[in-house]
Amino acid sequence: EAGVAQSPRYKIIEKRQSVAFWCNPISGHATLYWYQQILGQGPKLLIQFQNNGVVDDSQLPKDRFSAERLKGVDSTLKIQPAKLEDSAVYLCASSLDMTYGYTFGSGTRLTVV
Amino acid sequence: RKEVEQDPGPFNVPEGATVAFNCTYSNSASQSFFWYRQDCRKEPKLLMSVYSSGNEDGRFTAQLNRASQYISLLIRDSKLSDSATYLCVVNPGNTGKLIFGQGTTLQVKP
Repeated sequence: EAGVAQSPRYKIIEKRQSVAFWCNPISGHATLYWYQQILGQGPKLLIQFQNNGVVDDSQLPKDRFSAERLKGVDSTLKIQPAKLEDSAVYLCASSLDMTYGYTFGSGTRLTVV
Repeated sequence: RKEVEQDPGPFNVPEGATVAFNCTYSNSASQSFFWYRQDCRKEPKLLMSVYSSGNEDGRFTAQLNRASQYISLLIRDSKLSDSATYLCVVNPGNTGKLIFGQGTTLQVKP
C-alpha cells in the first residue's frame, strides 16, 4: 500500500513570501489532517478534513494560512505571507478508522529566513 | 494546563535496561490513546494503541488508568535501536482529532 505522499520535502523562503505544500493521502482514506511540528514540540493540528469538508480548523491562523481539499483527495496548505515563526515541519496524515491511528507523510521542512 | 503532558527527558539508559514513560491527559472524556515513535528528522509512526486492560507487544507494554488520566509505556531489555522520541497521543472525542504530547526522548547507550 502506498503511503501518504507530500511535497516538497524542503523549502526555504524569505519572510513575507508565500509557500504551498501538497499532500496525497492513502487511497480510500476519507479523513486528512495537516499538522505543524515546531522543533522540540509535538505535532499540533492545523486543520482536519472529512472528504472535502472541514471538520476542525480552530487552530489554523486564518489570517495567513489556508487549506483546501478539492474532490476529497489531494490537499494543499498555503501560507501567505510567511513569518519567521512558521519555520517548522508540516505533516500531512490520513486515516481510515481511528482505531488504528493515523499514517503520516514524511513532511515538508519549512525554513523562513 | 496542556491537554497532554509528558516529561521531555532525555532519558539516558544502558542497553538491556527497563525504562518507563508516563503521560497525563486533561480531558476525562478522551476516547482512545496511542503511543507514537518519532526518529530524528522523520515522521511519527504508530507504535501501539493503548487499551484499558493494558496491552503488550513484544518488549513494549502500555497501560491506561482512566481514573487518574494517566498513560504509561514500559520498554524492557532496551536496544540501541529504541533510541527515539516517544509521543503520547490522545483522541479527546469522536472527531478523529489526535492531540500529541511534547514527546519523551530516549537515548539507549552501549
